[in-house]
Amino acid sequence: AQSVSQHNHHVILSEAASLELGCNYSYGGTVNLFWYVQYPGQHLQLLLKYFSGDPLVKGIKGFEAEFIKSKFSFNLRKPSVQWSDTAEYFCAVNGRGGDKIIFGKGTRLHILP
Amino acid sequence: DVKVTQSSRYLVKRTGEKVFLECVQDMDHENMFWYRQDPGLGLRLIYFSYDVKMKEKGDIPEGYSVSREKKERFSLILESASTNQTSMYLCASSLMAESYNEQFFGPGTRLTVL
Repeated sequence: AQSVSQHNHHVILSEAASLELGCNYSYGGTVNLFWYVQYPGQHLQLLLKYFSGDPLVKGIKGFEAEFIKSKFSFNLRKPSVQWSDTAEYFCAVNGRGGDKIIFGKGTRLHILP
Repeated sequence: DVKVTQSSRYLVKRTGEKVFLECVQDMDHENMFWYRQDPGLGLRLIYFSYDVKMKEKGDIPEGYSVSREKKERFSLILESASTNQTSMYLCASSLMAESYNEQFFGPGTRLTVL
């Protein structure tokens, strides 16, 4: 069965700090990988996705993620966070050709001004 | 832009009531999903539908049922609401595709069962 593990439940950083949120998945076949973000009071929205090709994926608002197949990982990074990045972040995986997406339990990120 | 709308942002019901949560999408997506979101548990899939009148159980279907009579509308039904169904309910839709299946989410309905 597919599963997604997010290493950190709650992260607190100061503005301008670098960010890396860990995500590991369990699935035997080809996968699509996603990071979703939910800003306070807003819809869940897609931050970035990996489908195929370059394993380093760039998303909105300066975020990027790297797919490392050998490690079953898809960590999210941002070199310098802003107060407006305060949100909950969800890693998700979908087995290629399947319709369901499995979500991790989320990481709450607080950025101190 | 894909738009997924949910009938209510906040709902308060009493134990034992029948509750209907409605979701409508405007992009002709085949797939529609209902999740519940609870702190520390992430999103858990309740039911999904890949076509009109078709439904599949997700990970936590107990206590819920669904209805999809039209392609754009997917309803979640709590036959007899209980306090442990107090939660945020999210609806999502996606294209049925061989490639990736990005899901688009509605704003959520925060349901409180007293």
